[in-house]
Amino acid sequence: EPEVTQTPSHQVTQMGQEVILRCVPISNHLYFYWYRQILGQKVEFLVSFYNNEISEKSEIFDDQFSVERPDGSNFTLKIRSTKLEDSAMYFCASSRQGASDTQYFGPGTRLTVL
Amino acid sequence: DAKTTQPPSMDCAEGRAANLPCNHSTISGNEYVYWYRQIHSQGPQYIIHGLKNNETNEMASLIITEDRKSSTLILPHATLRDTAVYYCIVRANRDDKIIFGKGTRLHILP
Repeated sequence: EPEVTQTPSHQVTQMGQEVILRCVPISNHLYFYWYRQILGQKVEFLVSFYNNEISEKSEIFDDQFSVERPDGSNFTLKIRSTKLEDSAMYFCASSRQGASDTQYFGPGTRLTVL
Repeated sequence: DAKTTQPPSMDCAEGRAANLPCNHSTISGNEYVYWYRQIHSQGPQYIIHGLKNNETNEMASLIITEDRKSSTLILPHATLRDTAVYYCIVRANRDDKIIFGKGTRLHILP
């Protein structure tokens, strides 16, 4: 069964550094998403992406964040100048169609900012 | 904010049916009921969804009341691997994002 994959599974970085989290969505899916979950808190939507454009973003997704689909298979989340409060699990998801279609999530990347 | 209300936790004996309730009294006609679960620190896993009719798949059954104001997720024969947080989510057919609440923490007891 096809699944969303994410790398790395765990990323440790120093405050102020830039990180790139990588995702490979399910191959015939066209809509891509990033969510995050701070330890002990709810899963929060960050951004949705379709046709090489951001279609929706949350208040969390400020200028520190960017997303890109650099090739036909990868979908990345870049966090510039990381802060301690960026420490969280980051989940990528994809869906074949957009609104209300089922989203399938990856296993997540645990980001630890020291 | 999430449009659903779920009990914070439930217990179920292994091998028994787990019935997880969800209230969504403000649901509107174009909104679907989705269920996901999250096993400790893993990504949310899709379980099932429905609009009006009851649904069943290999994982679970979803029973939606006739007025659509509440639903029940049924895991027919719970195993220890079903221990997870279960999220009931209401989504309109125009919504890109999923809004997660706190869910129900289901403990399966041996």
